[in-house]
Amino acid sequence: DTGVSQDPRHKITKRGQNVTFRCDPISEHNRLYWYRQTLGQGPEFLTYFQNEAQLEKSRLLSDRFSAERPKGSFSTLEIQRTEQGDSAMYLCASSDTGANEKLFFGSGTQLSVL
Amino acid sequence: AQKVTQAQTEISVVEKEDVTLDCVYETRDTTYYLFWYKQPPSGELVFLIRRNSFDEQNEISGRYSWNFQKSTSSFNFTITASQVVDSAVYFCALSEAYGGATNKLIFGTGTLLAVQP
Repeated sequence: DTGVSQDPRHKITKRGQNVTFRCDPISEHNRLYWYRQTLGQGPEFLTYFQNEAQLEKSRLLSDRFSAERPKGSFSTLEIQRTEQGDSAMYLCASSDTGANEKLFFGSGTQLSVL
Repeated sequence: AQKVTQAQTEISVVEKEDVTLDCVYETRDTTYYLFWYKQPPSGELVFLIRRNSFDEQNEISGRYSWNFQKSTSSFNFTITASQVVDSAVYFCALSEAYGGATNKLIFGTGTLLAVQP
């Protein structure tokens, strides 16, 4: 069990560019989550997958955001035409299938949009 | 609406002091779960505890203890004999259950605990 890993750890980009983040969950976990955390705030839910199916998306997730989880393993989160307001820590988490199971978080990708 | 409030933004204590982190929640659900997570400077949130709404027994795990009171909608966390390694941001969270199908969490804003040697 190597835990949840995220890549890259840091990303600096210019406004208007596209960025993509990757998350590798704990291998036996069916559920995968993306959260966003800004300075001084708690994580906010963005989206959730059960296997390869994206079952829920937050209103926070604008049309510029898209997430995929092909084959139900790793996931990618893409942000198109980045804006300065997208600057945040993007956290990935995974869990077992049971209801209200604890989430295991990765160390996050810190995005800075200049 | 579901909400978690952590009124203490920052707490500073000296090593070996006891410290209590407050958490107050709002929900209309009768079934819900409450969590505490620790976020050290490395950034990775670490699970500490999960309680369901039907279990009001207090829990103790080593130097950590939790006090769940439905009457006041509070789920407070106490660290006894604090250590420098306890320095971190601590988040309280509430699960938003869609028929129990999702583990989406609603987090408070966190409390930064600084333990001075």
